[in-house]
Amino acid sequence: GAGVSQSPSNKVTEKGKDVELRCDPISGHTALYWYRQSLGQGLEFLIYFQGNSAPDKSGLPSDRFSAERTGGSVSTLTIQRTQQEDSAVYLCASSLGYVGPNTEAFFGQGTRLTVV
Amino acid sequence: RKEVEQDPGPFNVPEGATVAFNCTYSNSASQSFFWYRQDCRKEPKLLMSVYSSGNEDGRFTAQLNRASQYISLLIRDSKLSDSATYLCVVSLTGGFKTIFGAGTRLFVKA
Repeated sequence: GAGVSQSPSNKVTEKGKDVELRCDPISGHTALYWYRQSLGQGLEFLIYFQGNSAPDKSGLPSDRFSAERTGGSVSTLTIQRTQQEDSAVYLCASSLGYVGPNTEAFFGQGTRLTVV
Repeated sequence: RKEVEQDPGPFNVPEGATVAFNCTYSNSASQSFFWYRQDCRKEPKLLMSVYSSGNEDGRFTAQLNRASQYISLLIRDSKLSDSATYLCVVSLTGGFKTIFGAGTRLFVKA
């Protein structure tokens, strides 16, 4: 596709349920990032992938959060046993590879997760 | 300490004003620097890269001070349409880890 695509755009789930958020990066982009943005707050780094590997998982808030990327393309962020504090917009971004002066990160429009 | 820190604001300025934002970063391995803009309920988008020698794009000027590890963004002649959140972004050596600051909110009023 032309841009980063995330699905679903909105998700309402009951506390304790598991959810999967999907990100389709721009074709050919090797780097993929997940961020979280709570209402009125800034971006919180969660994890990034270079190809299929995730060199840095330090941003994941708890062991209920996991992410994978297959085929160097689609990534899935899974939240198990959701809690109300997980409610936020989850943003995915991708970049061609090295994020340098001429390579920007492009964002999807996010998945708005509401845990009730 | 956060890797990238910004004053959250908000900055409330009248149209035509000049406003400056600063951002500090903690990792000396930081190699590339950017300012992104995020409009309300929208995704962040690149505003401009920040080069060592400083760079200008119309009313926007970005500066980098590696010794003090800070980046600045200056907006001259503010417009109503400049109202947004401005995110400081740092990419570490190797380029694959990109850290976004929490953003500075700007409101430009008529």
